[in-house]
Amino acid sequence: QAGLTQPPSVSRGLGQIATLTCTGDSNSVGYQGATWLQQYQGQPPKLLSYRSNNRPSGISERLSASRSGNTASLTITGLQPEDEADYYCSAWDSSLSGWVFGGGTKLTVL
Amino acid sequence: QEQLVESGGGVVQPGRSLRLSCAGSGITLSHHGMHWVRQAPGKGLEWVAGLSHNGRDTWYAGSVKGRFTISRDSSKNTLYLQMNSLTTDDTAVYYCAKETESFDIWGQGTMVTVSS
Repeated sequence: QAGLTQPPSVSRGLGQIATLTCTGDSNSVGYQGATWLQQYQGQPPKLLSYRSNNRPSGISERLSASRSGNTASLTITGLQPEDEADYYCSAWDSSLSGWVFGGGTKLTVL
Repeated sequence: QEQLVESGGGVVQPGRSLRLSCAGSGITLSHHGMHWVRQAPGKGLEWVAGLSHNGRDTWYAGSVKGRFTISRDSSKNTLYLQMNSLTTDDTAVYYCAKETESFDIWGQGTMVTVSS
């Protein structure tokens, strides 16, 4: 089953900006946008953003999501130690009639 | 407070069956799309199956189609995943997730280990 492509790891310094990317195709990210999830070790995922740029209540304004064509991005500004986690993107794939996930990006805050 | 609680995981031999449950608290499951997502040890998330809010539509990942069945008992406010013909590749933590706009509420997960 086709999935989404995410870089395995991203490292940035404290207070800096990190942009995580997620690439699909016209049937997935390009179709209805992407969902972003954050996961700490041993914990269930937490929804950060849906349909590329909608942020649920309670999610920090330091996080913003966007989409350009078949690539979705999650930008985190003013990086804090608590931002260090695994980040997953997901999208509905209309050609598969199912959801697909990216392999995840491990964000390290230096 | 909206909460999902999974149960039913355990150790099972290859080829055997297992049924997982996901009970809703503070959530009426029949009002929402519901999904099962799994995560193998040390690996990423994999969507397994989904059920539409009205219960009419189901969707499955290719890796489980024909072996797994998602269903719901509205009277018990519980979601199920019937897993048959299990293989070692099915070893994972299984999460249920509510879909309003997306996967907005997750349970804590239940571990399934397929091993002889």
